[in-house]
Amino acid sequence: GAGVSQTPSNKVTEKGKYVELRCDPISGHTALYWYRQSLGQGPEFLIYFQGTGAADDSGLPNDRFFAVRPEGSVSTLKIQRTERGDSAVYLCASSPYSGTGLHEQYFGPGTRLTVT
Amino acid sequence: DQQVKQNSPSLSVQEGRISILNCDYTNSMFDYFLWYKKYPAEGPTFLISISSIKDKNEDGRFTVFLNKSAKHLSLHIVPSQPGDSAVYFCAARGAGSYQLTFGKGTKLSVIP
Repeated sequence: GAGVSQTPSNKVTEKGKYVELRCDPISGHTALYWYRQSLGQGPEFLIYFQGTGAADDSGLPNDRFFAVRPEGSVSTLKIQRTERGDSAVYLCASSPYSGTGLHEQYFGPGTRLTVT
Repeated sequence: DQQVKQNSPSLSVQEGRISILNCDYTNSMFDYFLWYKKYPAEGPTFLISISSIKDKNEDGRFTVFLNKSAKHLSLHIVPSQPGDSAVYFCAARGAGSYQLTFGKGTKLSVIP
C-alpha cells in the first residue's frame, strides 16, 4: 500500500514569509507526528496528533509554528514569519493507534525547507 | 542535553563481516527503543525495535541488544551487505509518551 507522502518535496521561501507543509499519512493510521531534522542531527519531535486533536505539542519551538489535522487524516504544518533558522527537513510519520504506544512510526520522505 | 547518544559518526565494515552500531541513553524513563535506517533524500525506515522488558530481539540479519543497567543498546548486522550502507538512527520513547527521541546517527559504509 501507499506510504506516508509529503508535499512539496522542496520549498524555498524568503525570510518573513508564511509556508504550509502537507502530510498524507498511511490510510487507517490514527496517530500522526511531525519532526524536524537539521543538518547533522537526528529528527526532533515537534507535535503528535491522535485523531483530530494535538495530543502533544511540546516540541513546537515557538508560536510561529502551528499544525492542524481537521479530519483526522491529512495534516498541515504552518510556519509564520519564517526565519533562516527554520531551514531543515520536516518529516511526517504515522502509526496505527496502540494503547501502549509500542508501535513503530512510518516516516515520509520529508519536505526540505530553505529560508533565504 | 542529548538524551540519546550515538558517539560514532561513521563506521566502515567489509562486506560479509559484522557491523556493530552503538547507542547510549541517559533517561531511565525510556522503555521502548528503535533503530531506523536512512538513505539520502528519503525518510527514515524502521528496522527493528526492543521493549525494555527484553534484552535481545532478532529479525533476520539484524539483532538489537539492550543493557538497561548500562543504559546501552547496540545493533548487530550479520553478514553486512553493501546495500546496508546508510545512516542508522537510534531512537527511544519515554513511558507514557508517544514522541521519539533520536540520536545524531551513525553513517555505515559496507565495502565490497
